Amino acid sequence: EPEVTQTPSHQVTQMGQEVILRCVPISNHLYFYWYRQILGQKVEFLVSFYNNEISEKSEIFDDQFSVERPDGSNFTLKIRSTKLEDSAMYFCASSDGQGGETQYFGPGTRLLVL
Amino acid sequence: DQQVKQNSPSLSVQEGRISILNCDYTNSMFDYFLWYKKYPAEGPTFLISISSIKDKNEDGRFTVFLNKSAKHLSLHIVPSQPGDSAVYFCAASVNYGQNFVFGPGTRLSVLP
Repeated sequence: EPEVTQTPSHQVTQMGQEVILRCVPISNHLYFYWYRQILGQKVEFLVSFYNNEISEKSEIFDDQFSVERPDGSNFTLKIRSTKLEDSAMYFCASSDGQGGETQYFGPGTRLLVL
Repeated sequence: DQQVKQNSPSLSVQEGRISILNCDYTNSMFDYFLWYKKYPAEGPTFLISISSIKDKNEDGRFTVFLNKSAKHLSLHIVPSQPGDSAVYFCAASVNYGQNFVFGPGTRLSVLP
């Protein structure tokens, strides 16, 4: 069964450093998403991406965040200057339609900012 | 600002019995609701959805009920199985959008 993959599974970084989280969505999917879950808190929507541009974003997704689909397979989330509060599990998801029921989530990348 | 609430952080049910997970919301503009299940070390998995034009949607052992006037939805699992043990998230969006607001989750334990 096709699945969304994410790398790395864990990343530790120093505050102020840039990190890039990588995702390989399911190959025929057209919509891509990033979510995060701070430890002990709820899953939060960050951004959705379609046709090489952001289609929706939340208030969390400020100027320090950016997304990119650099080639036909990868979808990345960049955090330019990490803060302690960026420590969270980051989930990528992809879908072939716009409905939430079609979203397939990856296993997540646990980011720890020191 | 908790627009989507799941007031029970955990729930334990005997195998074979019904599990009822509840979700309340405050934003009357929500018109699309989903339930996700999450196992440890995995991403959330879609379970079932309901739009605001319906009050019930059923898929196998899973049924979601929506009470718009009470701003309440519930997920019924019957019969419950040990493999259903997971964290269940309720999520909602406006205008069938992709900006889903998640609840904090309820951890369901189905006891054999």
